[in-house]
Amino acid sequence: GAGVSQSPRYKVAKRGQDVALRCDPISGHVSLFWYQQALGQGPEFLTYFQNEAQLDKSGLPSDRFFAERPEGSVSTLKIQRTQQEDSAVYLCASSIMSNQPQHFGDGTRLSIL
Amino acid sequence: AQSVTQPDIHITVSEGASLELRCNYSYGATPYLFWYVQSPGQGLQLLLKYFSGDTLVQGIKGFEAEFKRSQSSFNLRKPSVHWSDAAEYFCAVGGLDQTGANNLFFGTGTRLTVIP
Repeated sequence: GAGVSQSPRYKVAKRGQDVALRCDPISGHVSLFWYQQALGQGPEFLTYFQNEAQLDKSGLPSDRFFAERPEGSVSTLKIQRTQQEDSAVYLCASSIMSNQPQHFGDGTRLSIL
Repeated sequence: AQSVTQPDIHITVSEGASLELRCNYSYGATPYLFWYVQSPGQGLQLLLKYFSGDTLVQGIKGFEAEFKRSQSSFNLRKPSVHWSDAAEYFCAVGGLDQTGANNLFFGTGTRLTVIP
């Protein structure tokens, strides 16, 4: 597609369940970023991929969060044993190179009950 | 440490009036600066960016921003606001780190309301 695509758009899960969020970056974009946006806040960096390599995961809030991009294209953000504080919008962004502007998807709104 | 401050949480302007949204940043090296706009339920759309060169940058939808290094500011302006400009506006700072990533640090946003 023409833009960054994220699925699902909305996800509701019970506390303790595992969730997986998908990101389809713009074709040919080398760099991929995940951000977490809490209600009323700006996005906060979670992790960064260059092709299939995860070069920075310093923003992941706990070891329950895991991200992968095995073939250097689609990426999945997985959250294990979800907790209520994980409720947020998860944004994916890609850029053709790391020093170029990032293009954002519409996000996945995650609600943990 | 990197940070972005947007001092105005909410601004209301009349349609046709001018607009200025403030942004101050803290960054240890030469910053890359961005303004993004977010409509409800949507992702972020890039309005404009500053990497280097001319400190007055033009963006989409008639927006412009001026980089002032001495003030660590990157304020967004528009001479005449349209009702469709109502949205949340985010200022962000970034720059290549040791991994080659251009991680962005965002402010908390300014919500713009436009009244007829």
